[in-house]
Amino acid sequence: QVQLQESGPGLVKPSQTLSLTCTVSGDSISSGSHSWTWIRQPAGKGLEWLGRILISGSTNYNPSLKSRVSISLDTSKNQFSLKLSSVTAADTAVYYCARGRRVEWIEFFDSWGQGTLVSVSS
Amino acid sequence: DIQMTQSPSSLSASVGDRVTITCQASQDISSFLNWYQQKPGKAPKLLIYDASNFETGVPSRFSGSGSGTDFTFTISSLQPEDIATYYCQQYDNLPFTFGPGTKVDIK
Repeated sequence: QVQLQESGPGLVKPSQTLSLTCTVSGDSISSGSHSWTWIRQPAGKGLEWLGRILISGSTNYNPSLKSRVSISLDTSKNQFSLKLSSVTAADTAVYYCARGRRVEWIEFFDSWGQGTLVSVSS
Repeated sequence: DIQMTQSPSSLSASVGDRVTITCQASQDISSFLNWYQQKPGKAPKLLIYDASNFETGVPSRFSGSGSGTDFTFTISSLQPEDIATYYCQQYDNLPFTFGPGTKVDIK
């Protein structure tokens, strides 16, 4: 059974870069046609898709984040990472990593990490 | 971006009641819609994919239907463990987008 676990600082100062890592167990991020995705949720609010990376290295990002976001893979550690630069208080949220299962034209998030709260404050 | 709306935003129903949530997309998304359940303090959990297909292990009281712009999620007989917020999510176009959620509780 695949498991995902987010890790990283829980507090980031404004204007700095938020960095999170998702460690995957029970599945190889190098195999299959999965996507590896980051989603966030501000307290009491809805879900926002931030972006994804495929095993090919191809990435897609939410344009709302402009050029602040990047996602990368480390296949040797079976991890993928999120970097979000120039953070403000509006980036305070619970950040989830998730696996996107892709079957033909269908894609859905079938496994999620437990989420990690990142607060942006000086 | 494709905008997703849900109604109602919250509802209260009795155990055993039939509960229906609607989700509307701002443009035709065919059947490219998923439904998730999120309990307080927990990550979302996939229930329905591609509008009407059950994820493995999901109780049969949950179902989904629809295509194009209008979709429905139904709990045929509400159980106490169904207390949660339910989200629809489109995957027709990037960026993937979620509805604002429908909070379900017990009357």
